[in-house]
Amino acid sequence: GQSLEQPSEVTAVEGAIVQINCTYQTSGFYGLSWYQQHDGGAPTFLSYNALDGLEETGRFSSFLSRSDSYGYLLLQELQMKDSASYFCAVRAGFQKLVFGTGTRLLVSP
Amino acid sequence: GAVVSQHPSWVICKSGTSVKIECRSLDFQATTMFWYRQFPKQSLMLMATSNEGSKATYEQGVEKDKFLINHASLTLSTLTVTSAHPEDSSFYICSARGPNSAGQGNTGELFFGEGSRLTVL
Repeated sequence: GQSLEQPSEVTAVEGAIVQINCTYQTSGFYGLSWYQQHDGGAPTFLSYNALDGLEETGRFSSFLSRSDSYGYLLLQELQMKDSASYFCAVRAGFQKLVFGTGTRLLVSP
Repeated sequence: GAVVSQHPSWVICKSGTSVKIECRSLDFQATTMFWYRQFPKQSLMLMATSNEGSKATYEQGVEKDKFLINHASLTLSTLTVTSAHPEDSSFYICSARGPNSAGQGNTGELFFGEGSRLTVL
């Protein structure tokens, strides 16, 4: 089976740095992705890690450790618009993308 | 970019009726599309993989006869919820890989439709 665990909720203030963790157990693994979803909206792609290490994309960075079946999303210089749900997702097969439990990020002034 | 569009955005129906949701890739061809369901404040659960010109592949626990999927062209997949009941009320989202998904360095990025919120009374 597949399982991806994330903290349910994280709170922070504007300008802060937040790390959202993801631990996974899957029968296959082709990479770890992160998606952002605002309430009532569609998920949008943020980042992808196929190999161990850190990938940086602007204010967002993502890390992967395949030996630990663990990854995280790092959000820097938080803004109010970053309040959303964040999902890690594993490519468990060539085509399939399985999503984590999701983390709701609340950014306050 | 790769744009995926869903219709309708909202639908309310009576229990026992069927509802069809359309998912279109607007500026690219998608041989494979994915249908997800999301309950409030929960994750996206993959329901099925829709393959153009062939039968859909359903995830374990998803009723094939209740959630009919048709992928008749390279730009359109439809999900029909048959004999809908209140417990089928949910947010249904389709997605597809972009036009360059087979290339080297492919991130496996999915492009999502806007979602369809189904309420069954």
